[in-house]
Amino acid sequence: NAGVTQTPKFRVLKTGQSMTLLCAQDMNHEYMYWYRQDPGMGLRLIHYSVGEGTTAKGEVPDGYNVSRLKKQNFLLGLESAAPSQTSVYFCASDYRGRSDTQYFGPGTRLTVL
Amino acid sequence: SQQGEEDPQALSIQEGENATMNCSYKTSINNLQWYRQNSGRGLVHLILIRSNEREKHSGRLRVTLDTSKKSSSLLITASRAADTASYFCATRTGGGNKLTFGTGTQLKVEL
Repeated sequence: NAGVTQTPKFRVLKTGQSMTLLCAQDMNHEYMYWYRQDPGMGLRLIHYSVGEGTTAKGEVPDGYNVSRLKKQNFLLGLESAAPSQTSVYFCASDYRGRSDTQYFGPGTRLTVL
Repeated sequence: SQQGEEDPQALSIQEGENATMNCSYKTSINNLQWYRQNSGRGLVHLILIRSNEREKHSGRLRVTLDTSKKSSSLLITASRAADTASYFCATRTGGGNKLTFGTGTQLKVEL
């Protein structure tokens, strides 16, 4: 099992550019999450999904969109990147949202110039 | 807003000593979890304590929960250099499926 994987690991964007972060899990988990981690802020939930074809907003959803077309994949999109979106992004998944244990990917470090 | 606040923000100890970090939260919870994050890596689940439990052990880890004070502590006994990492508490509230993370404690264990 690879667990939770994220692509890419690093990315540098210019203001206004767009990109998509890919999260994949091979544990057959129903629930998937996108977080951002900023210094001194801990992890903040951006969007989450409770199953294929469904998404919901988290704590800090503005400027991001997500899609869950396949159960194993959860995509995070930035349509027009801003310097405030410079952060480390983590994807996580768990089984049916019981949140007893969330499994995290290795993260994507994004810099927006 | 952050549900959990960890204290201290940073902690430096010698190998073999015990490390204690604390987490305070604001609202009633179903359970509280602790995660570890090594530098440049994702979070890894360590231990979970439910709201009706007061203490839980796992190897060198001991977690306590005081729901009347809305606080939890994580004790790592006989620390090792490999324990150097950031530690986060996370709470699950009500019937929701989401976790709310604290701001973390950076632990450094020196040889």
